[in-house]
Amino acid sequence: DVKVTQSSRYLVKRTGEKVFLECVQDMDHENMFWYRQDPGLGLRLIYFSYDVKMKEKGDIPEGYSVSREKKERFSLILESASTNQTSMYLCASSFGTSGSSTDTQYFGPGTRLTVL
Amino acid sequence: KQEVTQIPAALSVPEGENLVLNCSFTDSAIYNLQWFRQDPGKGLTSLLLIQSSQREQTSGRLNASLDKSSGRSTLYIAASQPGDSATYLCAVPMNTGFQKLVFGTGTRLLVSP
Repeated sequence: DVKVTQSSRYLVKRTGEKVFLECVQDMDHENMFWYRQDPGLGLRLIYFSYDVKMKEKGDIPEGYSVSREKKERFSLILESASTNQTSMYLCASSFGTSGSSTDTQYFGPGTRLTVL
Repeated sequence: KQEVTQIPAALSVPEGENLVLNCSFTDSAIYNLQWFRQDPGKGLTSLLLIQSSQREQTSGRLNASLDKSSGRSTLYIAASQPGDSATYLCAVPMNTGFQKLVFGTGTRLLVSP
């Protein structure tokens, strides 16, 4: 079974702090994603990566950066946390390119981040 | 720009009922469509993936259909159980590749014993 793990289930940080959210997958997937999920807004893509050291902006990249130094690990960084970044953060991974039968995205359990 | 809509936003049914969840999308040129389940405070679990060349997929009591031309998909749940209570989301890839998904806002299902 594919396993995607996230470093924390719950996190509380203060405004202005630098925050790291870690995601690790164990299936040698090329693609990894970071989403945030907010009531009424659904899931929105922040960043994704299709290979080591490769990244592309999603729909809402402002205030975030990412790092992918190893294939299995994808980190989301909040350079200076703000209260409007309080949210549920979900990491996902998938194998292959669009159109193949292995396009399923596998999600981690999520990190609920509160910024005070 | 692809938009995905799910109706109803919430649904409450007694145990044992068969039910249908709806998903519509504005751009019919999709590679595939996925249905996910999300339990409260948890991540998403993939239920079914329908390729654009397929019309339906089945897994146990779940059956998902896809009508690309009309921009619609349905998730049919047979003989619902309290354990089916969760939020169900559908998602389609953006047409720019790399599997970026566009999600609907979900249908929250409650099955009462």
